[in-house]
Amino acid sequence: AQKVTQAQTEISVVEKEDVTLDCVYETRDTTYYLFWYKQPPSGELVFLIRRNSFDEQNEISGRYSWNFQKSTSSFNFTITASQVVDSAVYFCALRPNNAGNMLTFGGGTRLMVKP
Amino acid sequence: SQTIHQWPATLVQPVGSPLSLECTVEGTSNPNLYWYRQAAGRGLQLLFYSVGIGQISSEVPQNLSASRPQDRQFILSSKKLLLSDSGFYLCAWTPPRPNTGELFFGEGSRLTVL
Repeated sequence: AQKVTQAQTEISVVEKEDVTLDCVYETRDTTYYLFWYKQPPSGELVFLIRRNSFDEQNEISGRYSWNFQKSTSSFNFTITASQVVDSAVYFCALRPNNAGNMLTFGGGTRLMVKP
Repeated sequence: SQTIHQWPATLVQPVGSPLSLECTVEGTSNPNLYWYRQAAGRGLQLLFYSVGIGQISSEVPQNLSASRPQDRQFILSSKKLLLSDSGFYLCAWTPPRPNTGELFFGEGSRLTVL
């Protein structure tokens, strides 16, 4: 069985601070994909990133960066110089290669960026 | 490009009334389709998924049902709503396998059962 844990249910920061959202996963599969989604107040989930378990190289996209550590089963997401528009609920998800298209989502982390 | 739409965006229904939420995908063929529910302040729960017309798999037993009458149409229904059915319902799709698995979500439908 798969499990994704986002221990931080809610984080509050002041604009321009850096913030890291934690994601820890459990799976017995050796190959899998990891994802991050953003859910702004409008409600629609927006795909942010996909990471293959074979690729542990960290990725940076503008103010967003992701740290994949297979040894600790973590896939953390850092926002640098946070902005009010980053306020949203962020979900981490896991899909083992043999799970069809079934994603297992974490419980989400609500990020509030205050001006 | 592919798009996904669901409606209605918001719905307020009395307990015991029927429900029909509709989702349509455009710009792709034979997508895998999903219905998720997000209760207030909680994570995402997979309700149903479909890999083809008339093929529905249920993940959670409840008073909801799903149907796929056409390749790109996915409908979530209930004959009698319960208070616990309140929540935010999201339709999603993925390309047919093989694919890398990311889900593409619709705008969501907010259901309040009174």
